[in-house]
Amino acid sequence: GENVEQHPSTLSVQEGDSAVIKCTYSDSASNYFPWYKQELGKRPQLIIDIRSNVGEKKDQRIAVTLNKTAKHFSLHITETQPEDSAVYFCAALTDSWGKFQFGAGTQVVVTP
Amino acid sequence: SAVISQKPSRDICQRGTSLTIQCQVDSQVTMMFWYRQQPGQSLTLIATANQGSEATYESGFVIDKFPISRPNLTFSTLTVSNMSPEDSSIYLCSVGGRAGGTDTQYFGPGTRLTVL
Repeated sequence: GENVEQHPSTLSVQEGDSAVIKCTYSDSASNYFPWYKQELGKRPQLIIDIRSNVGEKKDQRIAVTLNKTAKHFSLHITETQPEDSAVYFCAALTDSWGKFQFGAGTQVVVTP
Repeated sequence: SAVISQKPSRDICQRGTSLTIQCQVDSQVTMMFWYRQQPGQSLTLIATANQGSEATYESGFVIDKFPISRPNLTFSTLTVSNMSPEDSSIYLCSVGGRAGGTDTQYFGPGTRLTVL
């Protein structure tokens, strides 16, 4: 089945700097890759997603890139702010029913 | 996106007892998923609940321990049976999935379970 690896597990950045989180997946048939942000005590919230027919997608300070050949995708956060501090999860769609395989998560800490 | 609620939001239970968690959606959805998230960990899928059919369980999860009901297109329950402290976790439902016409999943607020 699908296996998703996520790195790094923790990421500390200075406010205003950029943060990059990388995920790799194993199943070449996976074609949908969402990113979720989970603040402490809250539910995971979808922040951006990308499909396999697209190489990059941007939404304000957030962007996701996908390299299908290498089977990896990355989340980029620019001009980080303290409110970006959270755990971020990547995921890959694994089957026709819509099941996801989640990465292990990245704890992002933005220091003022 | 759909508005999803869960009850209870949290509970403290004694070992050996059972707890039923409810998930309610404000619109009809085909696919509902139940996840477990242990402290500091990622999301692990327990089972997929498709209305009108038996739930499909992931490896390591069995129906006797986690029975699921899906009586209609807006509601599902997950029961955690014969609980032990190892079942202490956050349980989340989500909706979405390709059968429902969208790849994206949206999550309920979660139920924080502590087993003593």
